[in-house]
Amino acid sequence: EDQVTQSPEALRLQEGESSSLNCSYTVSGLRGLFWYRQDPGKGPEFLFTLYSAGEEKEKERLKATLTKKESFLHITAPKPEDSATYLCAVQAGASYGKLTFGQGTILTVHP
Amino acid sequence: GAVVSQHPSWVICKSGTSVKIECRSLDFQATTMFWYRQFPKQSLMLMATSNEGSKATYEQGVEKDKFLINHASLTLSTLTVTSAHPEDSSFYICSASDGLEGETQYFGPGTRLLVL
Repeated sequence: EDQVTQSPEALRLQEGESSSLNCSYTVSGLRGLFWYRQDPGKGPEFLFTLYSAGEEKEKERLKATLTKKESFLHITAPKPEDSATYLCAVQAGASYGKLTFGQGTILTVHP
Repeated sequence: GAVVSQHPSWVICKSGTSVKIECRSLDFQATTMFWYRQFPKQSLMLMATSNEGSKATYEQGVEKDKFLINHASLTLSTLTVTSAHPEDSSFYICSASDGLEGETQYFGPGTRLLVL
């Protein structure tokens, strides 16, 4: 069974204090690993798709990396508007497009 | 690009009535659409997968006669909650995939359902 575990459950940072969120996974034949951002009362917003170990992608203050067992979402010099829940999901090769989500990390950035 | 809309954004209904939620892909053709349910402070739970012109595939434990899904075109899927009860109150979110970019799913803004 595919499993995704995110840590920490919650993270509080001061503005400008860089940190990383972790997503550990076990999956039969990884087809893709996805990062989403979700604000309260809204649907998830797509951030990144990673396909193979060693791959990295960046967008503004966010950088996602992937190994064979986990993915990291690095946040550099965060701002209060980066506060949100960050969701990690995996797609297995035989899943017909289905995603398995982690429980998310609630990020709060204080000014 | 890759915009998905949902309508309505929130709905309040009486117990026993049916509620229809629409999900549209606005700027791409969605080969597959997914319906999720999310409880407070929890992650997304997949309810069903639908492909245009075929019957939806429901996840284990999801009642297909209660949650009717129709995927009539490549840009529209609907979820109908039949004979709604208070326990059906939840946040319902759809997503759509164009089959490209590793089958990335793009999510709608969600529909908040409250059954009285």
